[in-house]
Amino acid sequence: GENVEQHPSTLSVQEGDSAVIKCTYSDSASNYFPWYKQELGKRPQLIIDIRSNVGEKKDQRIAVTLNKTAKHFSLHITETQPEDSAVYFCPPGGGADGLTFGKGTHLIIQP
Amino acid sequence: KAGVTQTPRYLIKTRGQQVTLSCSPISGHRSVSWYQQTPGQGLQFLFEYFSETQRNKGNFPGRFSGRQFSNSRSEMNVSTLELGDSALYLCASTPGLAGAYEQYFGPGTRLTVT
Repeated sequence: GENVEQHPSTLSVQEGDSAVIKCTYSDSASNYFPWYKQELGKRPQLIIDIRSNVGEKKDQRIAVTLNKTAKHFSLHITETQPEDSAVYFCPPGGGADGLTFGKGTHLIIQP
Repeated sequence: KAGVTQTPRYLIKTRGQQVTLSCSPISGHRSVSWYQQTPGQGLQFLFEYFSETQRNKGNFPGRFSGRQFSNSRSEMNVSTLELGDSALYLCASTPGLAGAYEQYFGPGTRLTVT
């Protein structure tokens, strides 16, 4: 099955700074790389995703970059704001198994 | 379109009892997945159903089971409840088509086992 590791497990940044979360996966069959955000007390929601034929995708302050050779992809958030505080998950898809969400990364935006 | 709904939203059960949770997917979605969320283990995949058949299964004991009906609604059952089963149970639906991977989550059922 797929093994997914996120680093760091907790990230604290000053408001206005950038944040980067890295996700490493094991299944070379994975061809879909999403990032989900779960705010406290709410359900996870997709915020950005990328397919394996694309190296980078941006949507306003967030971007995802993919290195398929090294089997990792990263979430980049610029100009962080208090509403970015949440748990972020990266479950690669397209492989044989169900999505592996794991423990996620707790992002804390310090005012 | 209405979103994914789950019932009940909160449940308190006693150790040894069994429980059934329900999930109604977005209209037209044929795949339903179930997840268990706890502070210590994060979001863990239980199983996925597509067209009334279990398509994928996570690493959970046989006490956890599910089914899907012809209208795509799904139920999850946990028998012989243990204290460690206390968790938020989330279901998510997708169209089930190849390449359509985005999971649309329901609000979850908060299960407390005493």
